[in-house]
Amino acid sequence: RKEVEQDPGPFNVPEGATVAFNCTYSNSASQSFFWYRQDCRKEPKLLMSVYSSGNEDGRFTAQLNRASQYISLLIRDSKLSDSATYLCVVNMRPAGNQFYFGTGTSLTVIP
Amino acid sequence: EPEVTQTPSHQVTQMGQEVILRCVPISNHLYFYWYRQILGQKVEFLVSFYNNEISEKSEIFDDQFSVERPDGSNFTLKIRSTKLEDSAMYFCASSEALLLRAEAFFGQGTRLTVV
Repeated sequence: RKEVEQDPGPFNVPEGATVAFNCTYSNSASQSFFWYRQDCRKEPKLLMSVYSSGNEDGRFTAQLNRASQYISLLIRDSKLSDSATYLCVVNMRPAGNQFYFGTGTSLTVIP
Repeated sequence: EPEVTQTPSHQVTQMGQEVILRCVPISNHLYFYWYRQILGQKVEFLVSFYNNEISEKSEIFDDQFSVERPDGSNFTLKIRSTKLEDSAMYFCASSEALLLRAEAFFGQGTRLTVV
């Protein structure tokens, strides 16, 4: 089983749509979870950390379900500039330093 | 805003040659990492470095790879004898401390092309 799994997509949505991505992780002891965004041929950039209680940043909402070992990202009112690959990242060790990346989910927002 | 910087942005080398990729992590960060991303594939962990020694490494990080922090600011990745399959984007990253929620910040990457 892969450490971090994501649906690679692609997701093609119209502007203004709401889109959700899910990610599952294998290590139940993992403590740190993140969503990164990667534009074509660029470095991954932190979008948001994912906290146990769920957290929101503007149009973006992240949720964590420890029982089912999945993380979600919801994007509301999609903008053209949201087009990118969204990477689910998990720090697998409870107090460690090895970040595992999912394969990424590709999103294209269409005018 | 502090950032991780990498040089060069693009390196072309012949198979069998040694390459050194350079990184300057964010100054108050204590953990440093190298990742690679083969074109069209996922970001893969290579190695993490803390307190002047390797903390974790993946199966990819074999004897051909080494890392060094030669001074207080630089963090380097050396590939001793490059292979065609080493062609990839190499990302350096750093994180603030061994905190549960410390995120990693990535440099812009070095595109390595082995010919």
